[in-house]
Amino acid sequence: GDSVTQMEGPVTLSEEAFLTINCTYTATGYPSLFWYVQYPGEGLQLLLKATKADDKGSNKGFEATYRKETTSFHLEKGSVQVSDSAVYFCALSEIRGTGANSKLTFGKGITLSVRP
Amino acid sequence: GAVVSQHPSWVICKSGTSVKIECRSLDFQATTMFWYRQFPKQSLMLMATSNEGSKATYEQGVEKDKFLINHASLTLSTLTVTSAHPEDSSFYICSARLGSYEQYFGPGTRLTVT
Repeated sequence: GDSVTQMEGPVTLSEEAFLTINCTYTATGYPSLFWYVQYPGEGLQLLLKATKADDKGSNKGFEATYRKETTSFHLEKGSVQVSDSAVYFCALSEIRGTGANSKLTFGKGITLSVRP
Repeated sequence: GAVVSQHPSWVICKSGTSVKIECRSLDFQATTMFWYRQFPKQSLMLMATSNEGSKATYEQGVEKDKFLINHASLTLSTLTVTSAHPEDSSFYICSARLGSYEQYFGPGTRLTVT
């Protein structure tokens, strides 16, 4: 079945440091890939997405490129801020049939703490 | 756009009582909504898929008689935790699907059963 593997956390960085969070996936078809962010006490927010190979999703300074050859979707940001402290989830979704049964498969999530 | 709300945001109830959580898509119609459960410092566990006008599809290991889901309209799904026990205490999150695969999440409901 489908699965998403994220690097182990937590990750602690100083403000303005470079961030990479690794994510690899296993899927039978051609999934869409997502990064979600969860701030303390809140639900998930879609951070960025990519729907096909070589697509680059970007938002709020974060980027991730859909790499089919390495089945990866690593999240990067050039200069993190304290406000980026949150839990980050990598996820995939495969469209099955009409799409009515499409589900999101999540990685375990990784906690990022950015200190001033 | 694509805003999903949940109500209540937190609830405390006594063991043996039932609690209803609402999930609403505010600015779009959603034929499919999802209910997740999240334990502290863990990922989301999909509980069930809620389809408007039909019965929910539950994931393996989720008791459908305990977690009642009703998708009454294209903008509302409800999760009722029946005869709640302390082990049901958790963070419950819903999402609504827009299009073929994109899901938008509610802010979550913190349930504490005493």
